[in-house]
Amino acid sequence: EVQLLESGGGVVQPGGSLRLSCAASGFTLSSYPMTWVRQAPGKGLEWVSSFGGTALTTHYADSVNGRFTISRDISKNTLFLQMNSLRADDTALYYCARDSVTTSGLVIDAFDVWGQGTMVTVSS
Amino acid sequence: EVVMTQSPASLSVSPGDSATLSCRASQIVSINLAWYQQKPGQAPRLLIYGASTRATGAPARFSGSGSGTDFTLTISSLQSEDSAFYYCQQYNDWPLTFGQGTRLEIK
Repeated sequence: EVQLLESGGGVVQPGGSLRLSCAASGFTLSSYPMTWVRQAPGKGLEWVSSFGGTALTTHYADSVNGRFTISRDISKNTLFLQMNSLRADDTALYYCARDSVTTSGLVIDAFDVWGQGTMVTVSS
Repeated sequence: EVVMTQSPASLSVSPGDSATLSCRASQIVSINLAWYQQKPGQAPRLLIYGASTRATGAPARFSGSGSGTDFTLTISSLQSEDSAFYYCQQYNDWPLTFGQGTRLEIK
């Protein structure tokens, strides 16, 4: 079964750091672009960062660029999000998600597999 | 940045009826548009990609249409289980962007 399991969330003070992990099972993470999406309490979905599959490209939302770093460990089949200089507005449930592959084999940045999320709370 | 605007913000419909949800992009996104369903306490679920292609496992009563800047998600024969938030997302350009969501209530 294809699954994603996030971990690493918690309560951190403003200016602090956290490292989120997303363990993949049932598929090889390095074969797919992967993404982090967050959802502040009671709010909508916000794209955060994406890591290309074979291309190894990275993309970041302006709101996190320079503070967050996306990476992966192929040997552990795990995606990471290193979050530094955290702010109160980073408080959210963080999901990792897998890019989809269409019936014609095209990889698209729409997400067909999601984890259940890990909560990050930035508060003093 | 492509701004995605969904309407209406909320919708209340009777079981068995149909619902039409709209999504407008501030720039042309071709057909690089996806729709998601999110129920309380759950992760989003991909329903539609390519503006009109149903994702694996999405019921046939969910259909998408549109191209360019204007898109529609139609849900026919509504069931109580369809109560959820629905989000559109463009993947035509970076940054990827979501609409603010439409809350669908089945009364």
